[in-house]
Amino acid sequence: DSGVTQTPKHLITATGQRVTLRCSPRSGDLSVYWYQQSLDQGLQFLIQYYNGEERAKGNILERFSAQQFPDLHSELNLSSLELGDSALYFCASSRGWTVSPLHFGNGTRLTVT
Amino acid sequence: ILNVEQSPQSLHVQEGDSTNFTCSFPSSNFYALHWYRWETAKSPEALFVMTLNGDEKKKGQISATLNTKEGYSYLYIKGSQPEDSATYLCAPQKTSYDKVIFGPGTSLSVIP
Repeated sequence: DSGVTQTPKHLITATGQRVTLRCSPRSGDLSVYWYQQSLDQGLQFLIQYYNGEERAKGNILERFSAQQFPDLHSELNLSSLELGDSALYFCASSRGWTVSPLHFGNGTRLTVT
Repeated sequence: ILNVEQSPQSLHVQEGDSTNFTCSFPSSNFYALHWYRWETAKSPEALFVMTLNGDEKKKGQISATLNTKEGYSYLYIKGSQPEDSATYLCAPQKTSYDKVIFGPGTSLSVIP
């Protein structure tokens, strides 16, 4: 158990809809990262937060947004969903203030029909 | 965006063989280099985080070396076992709170 909790595990929704993915980081971790794994693709970096503030953005679509709350949990919001958004979305956390590895959650499998 | 390259893209070895892969990354503004193991249908798991030039880390039969001046790291697996079959990812980092962008990975298949 990595200590990182992602909910829900699975999500099936229709095109055009909006969903929210939730991530609770490991206790004591301040950095939260979001990654997308599409079919046969690697881990694509979406966005990173550190202690409530956005630190870095990757190839995140404008239809996607995220935030990190004061209790350090994070949410990834995906709107106007398209078939191509179907993917496995991973959240990871790390200490952030010192050298530390990323600990990954089990991922949320999103299927857009 | 950091340009991270990993080679080979995939590797098939016999059980008991030793193998190694390479991770290449920009050597400027370097802080740390991460290695992860990613098994099918699971989440990536950290193997090593390395910071010092010349550093060598070991975990069981897996070890890694780091050259920050020339921007590469090697991952070695001694006596590969079928359970070592996974994708091995590396990722450089510029600061402790910087983004971690993964390379494309090396897919290892160990044939019994």
